[in-house]
Amino acid sequence: EAGVTQSPTHLIKTRGQQATLRCSPISGHTSVYWYQQALGLGLQFLLWYDEGEERNRGNFPPRFSGRQFPNYSSELNVNALELEDSALYLCASSYTDRGSQETQYFGPGTRLLVL
Amino acid sequence: GNSVTQMEGPVTLSEEAFLTINCTYTATGYPSLFWYVQYPGEGLQLLLKATKADDKGSNKGFEATYRKETTSFHLEKGSVQVSDSAVYFCALSEPYAGNNRKLIWGLGTSLAVNP
Repeated sequence: EAGVTQSPTHLIKTRGQQATLRCSPISGHTSVYWYQQALGLGLQFLLWYDEGEERNRGNFPPRFSGRQFPNYSSELNVNALELEDSALYLCASSYTDRGSQETQYFGPGTRLLVL
Repeated sequence: GNSVTQMEGPVTLSEEAFLTINCTYTATGYPSLFWYVQYPGEGLQLLLKATKADDKGSNKGFEATYRKETTSFHLEKGSVQVSDSAVYFCALSEPYAGNNRKLIWGLGTSLAVNP
């Protein structure tokens, strides 16, 4: 069974540009989560998508946005890039169970560098 | 609010030494608890989990027991190998969080095992 895949593996942008990161979940998983792992700050929850809808959002500005497609893959968009957006962006997927937290499985991440 | 506290690293051990990485949590109700591992240059992998009090999660020689009375989920391994060198993350999921569901993470503990 294929795991969570993310593309690209590395992305270099300049301040003010936009970045688009992509994630394909494990087959059968309908939930996709995005996390930011910045140096020294640990993992910060960004967004949760389930069945095409944004279900929850972390404490990030609106220039961080995304969407989930009918095939459950997802895109994270970061507009007006700032230097501090440089980080590893991790995507995770899980089954959806309304009553409990299903285990999240992670992709290898996209390393974004903003110059 | 809910939180996870991990012992600070880095932790440096010799091969075959005993490993303990402390993790304590604050949560209402009965969260699920997880240990994830991040090898150099890679994404996160689920190492083990426990979903209720007194459960013991185990995998690849690692163990952790869900202790409700001490709100802890310490990671242990009896004999570490060089290949265990990685960053270890403790995380919890909020029970019955509905649409507020997300994983809450510790800051990670870096482990280096020397031959």
